[in-house]
Order: sequence, then C-alpha cells, then structure tokens
Amino acid sequence: KAGVTQTPRYLIKTRGQQVTLSCSPISGHRSVSWYQQTPGQGLQFLFEYFSETQRNKGNFPGRFSGRQFSNSRSEMNVSTLELGDSALYLCASSQAAGGPYEQYFGPGTRLTVT
Amino acid sequence: GEDVEQSLFLSVREGDSSVINCTYTDSSSTYLYWYKQEPGAGLQLLTYIFSNMDMKQDQRLTVLLNKKDKHLSLRIADTQTGDSAIYFCAEITMDSNYQLIWGAGTKLIIKP
Repeated sequence: KAGVTQTPRYLIKTRGQQVTLSCSPISGHRSVSWYQQTPGQGLQFLFEYFSETQRNKGNFPGRFSGRQFSNSRSEMNVSTLELGDSALYLCASSQAAGGPYEQYFGPGTRLTVT
Repeated sequence: GEDVEQSLFLSVREGDSSVINCTYTDSSSTYLYWYKQEPGAGLQLLTYIFSNMDMKQDQRLTVLLNKKDKHLSLRIADTQTGDSAIYFCAEITMDSNYQLIWGAGTKLIIKP
C-alpha cells in the first residue's frame, strides 16, 4: 500500500505571495491532518479534515486554510506569506476521526519564504 | 491542561541501550505514541500503548508506562547508528478531541 504523499517537497516563495500544498492520504484513509514544524515551536497542529469537513482547527491565523476533496486528498493554502511561515509542513492520514486512530505521516513540504 | 514533556538530547554508545523518557499530564484514558523523525524526513510511527497497559515490546523496542507517575519510556536495545533521529512522544485523549499532543522531541545521538 502506498504511503502518504505530499507535493511539492520543496518550495521557495516571496513574502506576500500565496502557496498551495497538496497531500494524498493512504488509500482507504478518510482523515487528513496538517502540522507545521519549526525549530522554535516544534510540531503545531493546523487542522484536521474528515469526509470533506474541517473537524478540528489549531491556533493559526485565517491566512492558513485547507480543504478536502471527495477522494480524501487534501490541500492547504497559505495566503500573504510571512517570513515566519518558513517551516516543514507535514500531512498525516488516519483511517477515521474521533478516536485514537494511528496517524501516518508524509515526508513533508519544506517551505522557505524569502 | 494537556502537556507532554521530554528531555531534548540523549547520547549513548553504539551497542548500548537507549532509554528515552516522557511525562504527560492528562489524566483521562489515553493512547501514547512514539514517533521517529530522521533528518529531512517525516514522522514514522514506531509504537503505541494504551493507558491500561504497563508494557509493550516489539523487537528491539520496549515501551514502559507508569500510570501513577504519568511517565512513559521507550527503550531501544542494542542501539545502532541507524537509530540516530529525533524521537517524539505524543498522547491522544478524548479531552483533546483526539488530537495528538506532542512533546518537543528527544534527539538521540549515537557515539561510536
């Protein structure tokens, strides 16, 4: 079974631009979560989607948004990029939501904002 | 509130056992997870334990849970250079709406 895939793997953007990151979950998994990882803040939860609906949201500004499609693939968008948005963005999929389901992570997208 | 704490670094000699520790504060029923992150990679789920268990063993990995002290440990037997990574402890509870609460990660350094 293929693992979680994320595209692109690396991205360089300029302040003020916007970016869209993509995540394809493991086949059969219906929940997708997004995390931001930085050296200073560690792993921070962005949001979780299940059956095309946002189920949970972390404490990030409205510039960070996401969506999930009917095939469970998910995208996250960051508008008006700031230097502090430079991070590794990780996507994780699990079979379902609302329970202690194991989360499987993709390799991440490394975003650099200049 | 929910909080998970880990020491930031652990240095061991190749061939020795590594013990990575974690403490958590949530008192509700919980699952506790260990993830491994190698440089430039995502997180790999290593193992997990439910709060009604004391111990779980999987090949070179042993997880011990002390519920009274809310202390979790991951023991890696016969540590190899390939075990060099950051190890994250995380818990998931009903109170957290089944969101993972993460520790800061412990960087395991292997000395030859």
